[in-house]
Amino acid sequence: GAVVSQHPSWVICKSGTSVKIECRSLDFQATTMFWYRQFPKQSLMLMATSNEGSKATYEQGVEKDKFLINHASLTLSTLTVTSAHPEDSSFYICSARRSPGQGEQGYTFGSGTRLTVV
Amino acid sequence: AQSVTQPDIHITVSEGASLELRCNYSYGATPYLFWYVQSPGQGLQLLLKYFSGDTLVQGIKGFEAEFKRSQSSFNLRKPSVHWSDAAEYFCAVVIGAAGNKLTFGGGTRVLVKP
Repeated sequence: GAVVSQHPSWVICKSGTSVKIECRSLDFQATTMFWYRQFPKQSLMLMATSNEGSKATYEQGVEKDKFLINHASLTLSTLTVTSAHPEDSSFYICSARRSPGQGEQGYTFGSGTRLTVV
Repeated sequence: AQSVTQPDIHITVSEGASLELRCNYSYGATPYLFWYVQSPGQGLQLLLKYFSGDTLVQGIKGFEAEFKRSQSSFNLRKPSVHWSDAAEYFCAVVIGAAGNKLTFGGGTRVLVKP
């Protein structure tokens, strides 16, 4: 089946530093990946859509300079939280969608990354 | 704009009892419909999905869902709940062609009483 690996599963960083989160599709190619943010006891909010080889599409209200997304290959997308502050602390989840021709279309989620900024 | 509503924030059910989680969407066309389950601190696991065809969909872990176009609903059901079913459940929809994004409902937290 489709597997998405997200790393790290948790990270603690100091305010002002940057943190990179990786999302890999292990057994399929993903032209499109999605990055979500989830606050405690709330639903998932889409931050951006990551397209291989092109710029990400950010949702309204998401700072593209703070949340840098790179999708350099068909199996890897990264989210970098730049100059992190405590209000960036959250649970970040990625999702990958199979490329056309890679089998049944669907969305597979990573296991999430708990970011705590101190 | 498309929206997904899960009217119940919390549901408590006794182990062995039946469970039904409601999901309504707001859109003119028939979307692709999904149900996901999330355990605390984890990602999302797909329970089932509906793209077209038979409106009663069977999923994993004994779950099923029925798409009712007239009610714009896609309710999730399980005949007999197990303690391990305690989790957060999300309904999600996609409108349109490939690459479109999932829109999630607010989620329903299920608590299972012994």
